[in-house]
Amino acid sequence: DQQVKQNSPSLSVQEGRISILNCDYTNSMFDYFLWYKKYPAEGPTFLISISSIKDKNEDGRFTVFLNKSAKHLSLHIVPSQPGDSAVYFCAASAGGGSQGNLIFGKGTKLSVKP
Amino acid sequence: EAGVAQSPRYKIIEKRQSVAFWCNPISGHATLYWYQQILGQGPKLLIQFQNNGVVDDSQLPKDRFSAERLKGVDSTLKIQPAKLEDSAVYLCASSPGTSGGYNEQFFGPGTRLTVL
Repeated sequence: DQQVKQNSPSLSVQEGRISILNCDYTNSMFDYFLWYKKYPAEGPTFLISISSIKDKNEDGRFTVFLNKSAKHLSLHIVPSQPGDSAVYFCAASAGGGSQGNLIFGKGTKLSVKP
Repeated sequence: EAGVAQSPRYKIIEKRQSVAFWCNPISGHATLYWYQQILGQGPKLLIQFQNNGVVDDSQLPKDRFSAERLKGVDSTLKIQPAKLEDSAVYLCASSPGTSGGYNEQFFGPGTRLTVL
């Protein structure tokens, strides 16, 4: 039973264009959502997060949108750069303490072509 | 600030052998996590420590996996005996562990285990 779903295993975009990575979740108790970026042979690194009380959070070229009614979030990267090529994981948390454990999706591999 | 350290980076063993992984979290971080990431999947939590106490080990296969964090700092994860399906990357993460709300987790580079 996958609580966090990333239905696109891969995405390819041209440098300078927008990358949109999608994530769906099923557990209505999730109240914090994160995106992690992972390069080969490295651990995931935190990218951006959003609390369930917000519908948008922006950090430079990265924006995360949350649609609670649809249980859907998306990560927008504008403009995309070749260095953004990596696997992106969506993760969700249901509060602090032990409930703060992260539930990860399977990841989407982004390729940004020069 | 030094990141989360893990060793070894790679390990190849035969099935039914034993293996141990080591993790040193970021200095001062109270919470430590071990995740298993199978190829093509996202990381899955195995165990969470708060200082040297276990907070959540509900997904740890306790018949073969064990973990400890004796002095509330570094931690070891052991598999005994290993099975083919244990082939994965084992990630350690740490967080400050302050009360209330979500604490950002910082990941180490992982240990890639291959069981033959």
